Amino acid sequence: DAMVIQNPRYQVTQFGKPVTLSCSQTLNHNVMYWYQQKSSQAPKLLFHYYDKDFNNEADTPDNFQSRRPNTSFCFLDIRSPGLGDAAMYLCATSRDGDGYTEAFFGQGTRLTVV
Amino acid sequence: AQSVTQLDSQVPVFEEAPVELRCNYSSSVSVYLFWYVQYPNQGLQLLLKYLSGSTLVKGINGFEAEFNKSQTSFHLRKPSVHISDTAEYFCAVTRGYGGSQGNLIFGKGTKLSVKP
Repeated sequence: DAMVIQNPRYQVTQFGKPVTLSCSQTLNHNVMYWYQQKSSQAPKLLFHYYDKDFNNEADTPDNFQSRRPNTSFCFLDIRSPGLGDAAMYLCATSRDGDGYTEAFFGQGTRLTVV
Repeated sequence: AQSVTQLDSQVPVFEEAPVELRCNYSSSVSVYLFWYVQYPNQGLQLLLKYLSGSTLVKGINGFEAEFNKSQTSFHLRKPSVHISDTAEYFCAVTRGYGGSQGNLIFGKGTKLSVKP
């Protein structure tokens, strides 16, 4: 059974129209991460939540926001998507923030901007 | 700061041949090392990881990797590949000493293409 679920798997949005990607987990993990992976590039961490504490990476554009209303769900909001935001967005979770707890990745959401 | 270099962007190989995918890392602190596989339009699947202990790590699907601290390398190997191994492979390290396994710095990936 899938433990980290991303919806939808494929999302098409219009240039400039706000879009939200969803990630849910059944693992009751404390930490949830969002990565952006552009075509033929390495995944790049955008931000993560440790419980309700939000940790933004220094070079994450302001256009990207995140919400975590409860332990199970985390959302990625793109306020005004540009063509350059087309990418695979990956969600991951880990029970804790130390190096000994395994991380689990979802199947990703492929975002297309038209 | 940590960094990861995957020396080959593409590796073509014939079925049942051995393969090695190379990964070098740079870090001023001890880090944990990972190999992930990604099939087209899929998420990341963990192949194996090195946290401590034996430097030879065995993973899923017959893959193994060897941690070499002196050469700062973590090369991935498989003695005999299958068509189904065709995918992109990412090497990654944790960010900082004792960093989370979810907070990773990835290499740019190596596309393995297995031909019949």
